[in-house]
Amino acid sequence: KNEVEQSPQNLTAQEGEFITINCSYSVGISALHWLQQHPGGGIVSLFMLSSGKKKHGRLIATINIQEKHSSLHITASHPRDSAVYICAVSRAGGGGADGLTFGKGTHLIIQP
Amino acid sequence: NAGVTQTPKFQVLKTGQSMTLQCAQDMNHEYMSWYRQDPGMGLRLIHYSVGAGITDQGEVPNGYNVSRSTTEDFPLRLLSAAPSQTSVYFCASSYRPNYEQYFGPGTRLTVT
Repeated sequence: KNEVEQSPQNLTAQEGEFITINCSYSVGISALHWLQQHPGGGIVSLFMLSSGKKKHGRLIATINIQEKHSSLHITASHPRDSAVYICAVSRAGGGGADGLTFGKGTHLIIQP
Repeated sequence: NAGVTQTPKFQVLKTGQSMTLQCAQDMNHEYMSWYRQDPGMGLRLIHYSVGAGITDQGEVPNGYNVSRSTTEDFPLRLLSAAPSQTSVYFCASSYRPNYEQYFGPGTRLTVT
């Protein structure tokens, strides 16, 4: 079983819809990261959080440490939001030096 | 700031050849890491470094070598390329292991 699971794997929605991507993890963590990767493109960090909620523009990330679950929400989705969204965790202990553990990503397509 | 740079962007090797993937950052980050991204697998950690002169193995280190002689540079060496090393390689850096990660644009490597 993967230590970081994302759902759904693929999501197609219409422009303007509210989008939710989920991430569950099975290890102790010091932080959870949400990343964005456009087709053929590089990887950009969207959020890093260890508790509560963060908001940046139309993007909102939440985390529930007790339930080992995080969600990424996109409000008023737009075609330019089409990308792969990746959840990753920094394991607790070792100060995160052993890198991130990644989910397999959610392919999001927003249709006009 | 250029951020994290990687060269080359694309490379084709024959089995058995060696080469070095270059990674540099100009943000004075202590922590640098190399990941490979394969379809259906998510990103996996190859090697990482917590500072100049200090490197360690990640999840999939076999066939790769690294060194960190300066804070800025973290090259990844393929000792004897194999078709299984066909992948997209990403270098990342951060101020500390648990801080926001900055990714390079990636190197797409094909081994024939």
